[in-house]
Amino acid sequence: EAQVTQNPRYLITVTGKKLTVTCSQNMNHEYMSWYRQDPGLGLRQIYYSMNVEVTDKGDVPEGYKVSRKEKRNFPLILESPSPNQTSLYFCASSPTAQLTQYFGPGTRLLVL
Amino acid sequence: AQSVTQPDIHITVSEGASLELRCNYSYGATPYLFWYVQSPGQGLQLLLKYFSGDTLVQGIKGFEAEFKRSQSSFNLRKPSVHWSDAAEYFCAVDAYSGGSNYKLTFGKGTLLTVNP
Repeated sequence: EAQVTQNPRYLITVTGKKLTVTCSQNMNHEYMSWYRQDPGLGLRQIYYSMNVEVTDKGDVPEGYKVSRKEKRNFPLILESPSPNQTSLYFCASSPTAQLTQYFGPGTRLLVL
Repeated sequence: AQSVTQPDIHITVSEGASLELRCNYSYGATPYLFWYVQSPGQGLQLLLKYFSGDTLVQGIKGFEAEFKRSQSSFNLRKPSVHWSDAAEYFCAVDAYSGGSNYKLTFGKGTLLTVNP
């Protein structure tokens, strides 16, 4: 089944403890992206990747890192999480940047 | 930079009634337009999309949307709402944002409540 998977789905952590949210797609898509969703703000892009080893900042990149060493994986790294990073995170992929994006199930993060 | 406005934060309709969710976008050229739906606790599901051609597009679950260039709008409609349509709906525009990037910009969403 074609899909985007994220792990973990739910995570509670404390301020400053490094964490990684994994994202994987099995559709051989070139383009991948991370979004955060906050009430009243909709979805905002954090980082995107046009292809392997090519990443760039979205609208709200502060406090996040990404890497794209393989086409299928695009992990989101929070080196030192803070409470304002409590949010619902979505990973998405598409064949290219200009086509339909397919979203993962989301990861709900709570930073205490 | 592109932007998307969904003027209605929350809409309540009765089951069986018709529905129209509004979406206006700002972009210098013809964008790619999408509607996504998010059910409670779920991810985002694509309802429909407009890339080019016929300005009235059909989607899943009986939804349709009409692209009106003169009004910069892409409103979502359904003739008869079902209780299972209760969800949050997001309009999005995929537009060129510099370099080689096309960015998906979302509106803030419209929450739909369906009364029995």
